Amino acid sequence: AQKVTQAQTEISVVEKEDVTLDCVYETRDTTYYLFWYKQPPSGELVFLIRRNSFDEQNEISGRYSWNFQKSTSSFNFTITASQVVDSAVYFCALSGRGEYGNKLVFGAGTILRVKS
Amino acid sequence: NAGVMQNPRHLVRRRGQEARLRCSPMKGHSHVYWYRQLPEEGLKFMVYLQKENIIDESGMPKERFSAEFPKEGPSILRIQQVVRGDSAAYFCASSRAWATNTGELFFGEGSRLTVL
Repeated sequence: AQKVTQAQTEISVVEKEDVTLDCVYETRDTTYYLFWYKQPPSGELVFLIRRNSFDEQNEISGRYSWNFQKSTSSFNFTITASQVVDSAVYFCALSGRGEYGNKLVFGAGTILRVKS
Repeated sequence: NAGVMQNPRHLVRRRGQEARLRCSPMKGHSHVYWYRQLPEEGLKFMVYLQKENIIDESGMPKERFSAEFPKEGPSILRIQQVVRGDSAAYFCASSRAWATNTGELFFGEGSRLTVL
């Protein structure tokens, strides 16, 4: 079975603070994919990143960075110098190489509130 | 290139009525997935379809829910005799056949069903 745990239900920070969103996953697959999505108040799902299980290099994209550690089954997401526009629900998700395609398993999400 | 198109974006139904949600995948995509997001929860997989075939419906409620993806036209998620608990956002995603198992899913903006 596959499972994604986002232990932080809600985080509040003040603008310009750095914030890290935690994601821990469980899977028996040796090849799998990890994702982060952003869901702003408008409700759509915005794709942020996809990482495959063979690539443990950390990634940085502007103010966003991701730390993938297979040893601890974690794929954490850090926003540097947060802004009010970062306020959203953030979902971590996992996809295995199962028989039936791209069935994503989502975490429960972390609500991020950035105050000015 | 148009993305995944879902309509209606918002749908209001009274208890006992039927709801039909439509999803047109991205051009060239032949795989469609439906996910449901209950209020303040993460997304849950419902069903995975290819043209004229249901591949995996392990996440579909046993009664009142059905899905199809005909040879021509959009995929349709149908909910009969809706109840208040069906109120949720329903997201559709699509992928190319060759992208199966690589996690290359593209999501629509969702259809929000409200049952009065």
